[in-house]
Amino acid sequence: EPEVTQTPSHQVTQMGQEVILRCVPISNHLYFYWYRQILGQKVEFLVSFYNNEISEKSEIFDDQFSVERPDGSNFTLKIRSTKLEDSAMYFCASSDPWTGGLNGNQPQHFGDGTRLSIL
Amino acid sequence: AQTVTQSQPEMSVQEAETVTLSCTYDTSESDYYLFWYKQPPSRQMILVIRQEAYKQQNATENRFSVNFQKAAKSFSLKISDSQLGDAAMYFCAYRRRRTGTASKLTFGTGTRLQVTL
Repeated sequence: EPEVTQTPSHQVTQMGQEVILRCVPISNHLYFYWYRQILGQKVEFLVSFYNNEISEKSEIFDDQFSVERPDGSNFTLKIRSTKLEDSAMYFCASSDPWTGGLNGNQPQHFGDGTRLSIL
Repeated sequence: AQTVTQSQPEMSVQEAETVTLSCTYDTSESDYYLFWYKQPPSRQMILVIRQEAYKQQNATENRFSVNFQKAAKSFSLKISDSQLGDAAMYFCAYRRRRTGTASKLTFGTGTRLQVTL
């Protein structure tokens, strides 16, 4: 079964450095998402992406964050100048617009996550 | 804004027994979807079951079933014949129905399920 893959599985970065988290969504999916989960807390939405633009973003997704689909397969999340509070598990997800017809019922498929540790 | 509440941080069930995980949500929307996701220690979020709000019939998926009470905004998950592999964190999630564009999931805080012998 196709999967969403994320690299790296664990990233350790010095505070203030830039970090890029990579995701390869399922190949025929068109909607892409980033979520994060701070240790012991719930999963929070960051941003959704469709048709080469951001569909929606949360308050967390400030100017330090950006997303990009640089080619036909990758979907990246960049944090420009990392802070200690950016330490979290970051999940990428994708969904297929056609599953379940046009009723919008597309389940999101998640990757294994990237654990980001800011020192 | 939509919110999802899971009031049970931890639950425990004996193998082969049945357990029910609670979830309530708040929304002003009438058309939406509800999900239960499982997150084992391996971290990946796995979809367990989903429910369309416009459907009165409760969703079932093998040993997993839901009790969807739309008026009460309640969406509980029942796991029958619990197995050791069911041990995980379970997240309840809400998504507004939107066609033609991405629609985010709003998660609850999770319930950690332990399965004992």
